[in-house]
Amino acid sequence: DVKVTQSSRYLVKRTGEKVFLECVQDMDHENMFWYRQDPGLGLRLIYFSYDVKMKEKGDIPEGYSVSREKKERFSLILESASTNQTSMYLCASSPIRDSEQFFGPGTRLTVL
Amino acid sequence: GQQVMQIPQYQHVQEGEDFTTYCNSSTTLSNIQWYKQRPGGHPVFLIQLVKSGEVKKQKRLTFQFGEAKKNSSLHITATQTTDVGTYFCVRATNAGKSTFGDGTTLTVKP
Repeated sequence: DVKVTQSSRYLVKRTGEKVFLECVQDMDHENMFWYRQDPGLGLRLIYFSYDVKMKEKGDIPEGYSVSREKKERFSLILESASTNQTSMYLCASSPIRDSEQFFGPGTRLTVL
Repeated sequence: GQQVMQIPQYQHVQEGEDFTTYCNSSTTLSNIQWYKQRPGGHPVFLIQLVKSGEVKKQKRLTFQFGEAKKNSSLHITATQTTDVGTYFCVRATNAGKSTFGDGTTLTVKP
């Protein structure tokens, strides 16, 4: 079974803090994704990566950066957290670019 | 960006009734994926459709891909309480970018 894990289920941070969200997959997948999910807005793609050290902007990259130093790990970074970044963050991975995505359990981030 | 529009946003049914959600795109889709997210859970892949006019079935679920590859539907026959959740259609490209529809949230009254 593919397993995608995220470092925290719940996280509370203060405005201006630097926040790291970690995602690890154990199936040697090439592609990894970060989404945020907000009520009424569905899932929106922040960034994705199709290889180590490679990244592509999604639909809403502003205020975020990512890092993929190892194939199994994809990190989402909020350089200076703001209250409008309070959301559920979901990580996913897939073996090829347009194939089935496997999601982690999500991190609910609250920025105060 | 290129969007996929999904309707309805919410659907409330009595257990045993049928349910359908529709997904529409203004551009031709190379494929369409469907996911289900249970309340409090994460999206789980259901199926991928690739061919024009394709119809696939999974027990009580029937998935269709339009002839023009611009629309898709998911139909559930005789809903059960276990069908509760939000159903998403997803446009995925070989460039890697995925676009989720806004989802249809299904509630089932026993």
